[in-house]
Amino acid sequence: GNSVTQMEGPVTLSEEAFLTINCTYTATGYPSLFWYVQYPGEGLQLLLKATKADDKGSNKGFEATYRKETTSFHLEKGSVQVSDSAVYFCALSPPGAGSYQLTFGKGTKLSVIP
Amino acid sequence: ETGVTQSPTHLIKTRGQQVTLRCSSQSGHNTVSWYQQALGQGPQFIFQYYREEENGRGNFPPRFSGLQFPNYSSELNVNALELDDSALYLCASSQQDREYGYTFGSGTRLTVV
Repeated sequence: GNSVTQMEGPVTLSEEAFLTINCTYTATGYPSLFWYVQYPGEGLQLLLKATKADDKGSNKGFEATYRKETTSFHLEKGSVQVSDSAVYFCALSPPGAGSYQLTFGKGTKLSVIP
Repeated sequence: ETGVTQSPTHLIKTRGQQVTLRCSSQSGHNTVSWYQQALGQGPQFIFQYYREEENGRGNFPPRFSGLQFPNYSSELNVNALELDDSALYLCASSQQDREYGYTFGSGTRLTVV
């Protein structure tokens, strides 16, 4: 079946540090890949997405590249801010019409300190 | 455009009771999905509705059921509540195109005592 594995947290960084959160997946074919962010007490917000191999998704300074050869979709940001403190989820939806079920990783909690 | 709204925001129920959670989809979206997020975990897919019919289900027992209405709003019903049903329940809507991802509501926090 489909699965998503994220690096375990929590991750604590100083403001302006470089961020990498690793994500690998298992799926047949070419799934769509997503990063969602969840701020305390809130639902999930779509951060970025990629729908085919070598696509780069980007938003708010975050980016991730769909790597089919390594089945990875690592999240990166060059300079984190305190406001980036949240839980980040990597997710996939399988290929095929009607296949909209999202499979999530367990999430990585990021804390950014001033 | 309006987002996805869920009600109630918090709920406390007793083991064995039944509960109904509600969701209003984002305007223009015709697909709705429900997810269960236990504390400290990623969301788990419960089921999905498209044009008022269930067209996908995760590994949840039949006491989890749902409805989608003509205006694309939705309900999640859980019968015979168990303590392990305590979680954040998230509703997500989308157009019938996985490339655009889902829009999630803020969720309903259910506590079963």
